Amino acid sequence: EVQVEESGGGLVQPGRSLRLSCAASGFTLDNYGMHWVRQVPGKGLEWVSGITWNSDVLGYADSVKGRFTISRDNAKNYVYLQMNSLRVEDMALYYCVKDIGSGLGIPHGWGVWGQGTAVIVSS
Amino acid sequence: IVMTQSPLSLPVTPGEPASISCRSSQSLVHSHGYSFLDWFVQKPGQSPQLLIYLGSDRASGVPDRFSGSGSGTNFTLKISRVEAEDVGVYYCMQAVQTPYTFGQGTKLEIK
Repeated sequence: EVQVEESGGGLVQPGRSLRLSCAASGFTLDNYGMHWVRQVPGKGLEWVSGITWNSDVLGYADSVKGRFTISRDNAKNYVYLQMNSLRVEDMALYYCVKDIGSGLGIPHGWGVWGQGTAVIVSS
Repeated sequence: IVMTQSPLSLPVTPGEPASISCRSSQSLVHSHGYSFLDWFVQKPGQSPQLLIYLGSDRASGVPDRFSGSGSGTNFTLKISRVEAEDVGVYYCMQAVQTPYTFGQGTKLEIK
């Protein structure tokens, strides 16, 4: 079964760092674009960042630009989100999402979502 | 790109149709010719799941009572006959230009 599973969330103080990981199972990561999407409990969805199959970064949300970095290790079947200078407003459930395509153009469709990992930013 | 959904709340009687509108502040037509507009549903307590991609293509396993239409800046998700299991929050999302953006969400509830 094709799945992605997030890990690395937790409680962190404002200004500190955290690295989220997304493990792919049931498929090899090589050919697929990947994304991070976050959701404050009870609120809507916000795209955070995305990366193409060959590690070209698609971009970042304005709210995280300069503080977050997306990366991937296809050999290990992992995608990462390095989060620095965390703020209270970064507190959310972070989802890892798999595209059905490379992340550029066609095919396209965010068909696989993980269960999310919770990031709590508090002193 | 700003995505605007309406209505934000949608009470529906089972068996009746439902429709959600999504408008974008810019055209979502990609250089490939497709509209990069997707629809997701987030059922209570679950992760979002893909319903419709590229404006009108149903994702695998999605019942055919769900359909997507539209192009340019105006899109619609239609449910031909709402069932109890369709309860949740429906989001549209544009993926033509980063930062990708979602609509505010439409909460569908059963009357």
